[in-house]
Amino acid sequence: AQTVTQSQPEMSVQEAETVTLSCTYDTSENNYYLFWYKQPPSRQMILVIRQEAYKQQNATENRFSVNFQKAAKSFSLKISDSQLGDTAMYFCAFPTGKLIFGQGTTLQVKP
Amino acid sequence: EAGVVQSPRYKIIEKKQPVAFWCNPISGHNTLYWYRQNLGQGPELLIRYENEEAVDDSQLPKDRFSAERLKGVDSTLKIQPAELGDSAVYLCASSPPRLAGDHTGELFFGEGSRLTVL
Repeated sequence: AQTVTQSQPEMSVQEAETVTLSCTYDTSENNYYLFWYKQPPSRQMILVIRQEAYKQQNATENRFSVNFQKAAKSFSLKISDSQLGDTAMYFCAFPTGKLIFGQGTTLQVKP
Repeated sequence: EAGVVQSPRYKIIEKKQPVAFWCNPISGHNTLYWYRQNLGQGPELLIRYENEEAVDDSQLPKDRFSAERLKGVDSTLKIQPAELGDSAVYLCASSPPRLAGDHTGELFFGEGSRLTVL
């Protein structure tokens, strides 16, 4: 069975600095995607970035990038130049007919 | 284009009362999901529909929870009777039809219905 683990329940970062959120997963599949979703307080969950497992190049979306280590089954999210609007709960997710989510990391960006 | 719409946004009820949540997915999305999210945790799937058919309801507590998607569009999730432990946010999500071998699997979420059972 696929599992997703986020070991950092809470993190904080100063505005304009960089922060990395960790995620590990387990699967026997070879071709798959991985996602990071963002859930701001009392607002809907939105997709931040996705990574295709067969691509060696790490995905990047503006200030968001991932460090994907397929052999280690690690999928971390780096947020550069953190902004106050990045304050949210972040979920690592694995799609397998449905989305399996990690426990989430609450990120607080401080002014 | 309208996103996934859920109602009500908030609901407070006393235990043993019934409650229902409604979801309207994005037009053209044939797959609909209901997730439950407890405070400070990740969402957990309750039920997944492919058109009108419930294809994964293994995590739905069938003694008190029921769901329907009669015409393959809107869906309703019902709890009867509600218990204190049902307090959570109920998220609806939808996804478009996927081609064979397409593993992208992105889901589009509504804002959720926050249930408080007193």
